Amino acid sequence: GAVVSQHPSRVICKSGTSVKIECRSLDFQATTMFWYRQFPKKSLMLMATSNEGSKATYEQGVEKDKFLINHASLTLSTLTVTSAHPEDSSFYICSARDNTFSNEQFFGPGTRLTVL
Amino acid sequence: RKEVEQDPGPFNVPEGATVAFNCTYSNSASQSFFWYRQDCRKEPKLLMSVYSSGNEDGRFTAQLNRASQYISLLIRDSKLSDSATYLCVVTPDTGRRALTFGSGTRLQVQP
Repeated sequence: GAVVSQHPSRVICKSGTSVKIECRSLDFQATTMFWYRQFPKKSLMLMATSNEGSKATYEQGVEKDKFLINHASLTLSTLTVTSAHPEDSSFYICSARDNTFSNEQFFGPGTRLTVL
Repeated sequence: RKEVEQDPGPFNVPEGATVAFNCTYSNSASQSFFWYRQDCRKEPKLLMSVYSSGNEDGRFTAQLNRASQYISLLIRDSKLSDSATYLCVVTPDTGRRALTFGSGTRLQVQP
């Protein structure tokens, strides 16, 4: 099956710093990628939809100035958590939709962010 | 009301048992339905899609009832390796393609 990578897999940072997470589709092109967040024992919650070449679409309650998304190519989307706070500590997972299969989404392995 | 509701469990069953999970969704316009499996601290992985006619993949059977907005997953002859959290997932519309996840049902298969 298709492969999506995320980097880094784990990051620990101090409050106030910014953290960039990369999501790459390795063997397919993805016009659309999605960013989810999962708190312990909770469901994955969609944060935003990343669209190649255009602005991301954010879900209600997600601050676009805090969670910056850039989708500059058909294989790469980045999520930058700016001025991170301890409450931003979570598991961030991206998924990419294969342009050739409309319903198939492939998930990255996730990035565990811990903000001290 | 949550868009996708599941019994969180945990379901503790012995090896070889048959176990069933249920899920309800609130958006009657939902188009696509899936069961995903998520292991602890890992990303979700697609287990199977769910069709109105029902579908089976080995020991796993999924059913969809659009009238009742209800989805089920049946696991027969449970294995230790089936222990995981099972996520009911729907696609709310045809355009956006984002997935809406239930909070998951945890299954623990015991020897």
